[in-house]
Amino acid sequence: DVQMTQSPSTLSASVGDRVTITCRASQSISSWLGWYQQKPGKAPKLLIYRASNLESGVPSRFSGSGSGTEFTLTISSLQPDDSATYYCQQYNSGWTFGQGTKVEIK
Amino acid sequence: QVQLQESGPGLVKPSETLSLICTVSGDSISPYYWSWVRQPPGKGLEWIGHISYNGITNYNPSVKSRVTISLGTSKNQFSLKLTSVTAADTAVYYCARLRPSSGLIIDYWGQGTLVTVSS
Repeated sequence: DVQMTQSPSTLSASVGDRVTITCRASQSISSWLGWYQQKPGKAPKLLIYRASNLESGVPSRFSGSGSGTEFTLTISSLQPDDSATYYCQQYNSGWTFGQGTKVEIK
Repeated sequence: QVQLQESGPGLVKPSETLSLICTVSGDSISPYYWSWVRQPPGKGLEWIGHISYNGITNYNPSVKSRVTISLGTSKNQFSLKLTSVTAADTAVYYCARLRPSSGLIIDYWGQGTLVTVSS
């Protein structure tokens, strides 16, 4: 099984800050990685697919990069609406999610 | 706009079978794949399995012996059955659509339904 490890588990940042979340795979997954945003009581929302492709309708302050085993999600200028939990997901071999990163606004 | 809606009992007794239906509106079942994902209260997401528009299934090994995903008799529905449930199966269950053009990424989700396993 491919294991996905996210870091940090939580982070607190101010509006306007640049925020980076890391996701590491236990084996190479090429670029078969997505990022989701989940707010309390809601379903996840797709932000990024194939590691770096921005889903239609998602603000351009979100970006993704990486390939192989190491990936990052960057929010270039944190907004109040970005307070949420973010999950990475690999879909190269089965489908596995990271444990999530909770982003809080200071 | 694609919409997915889960339906089914919110309470299931231990050792019994959990059964949920997902109704899809706003698009056709074909050529997409359709999935179930669950989230225990306060925890992360777990992929359960998925089915293609032509009935090919793929299941998470952790539940493979207990799970069946099938297309519904109605053309815009698919279902989940999970047998021999325990308290560990208590979760919010989401149905979701997989987009083949992007390598089977989940692009649309239902709102989720909480299923509690308890006597």
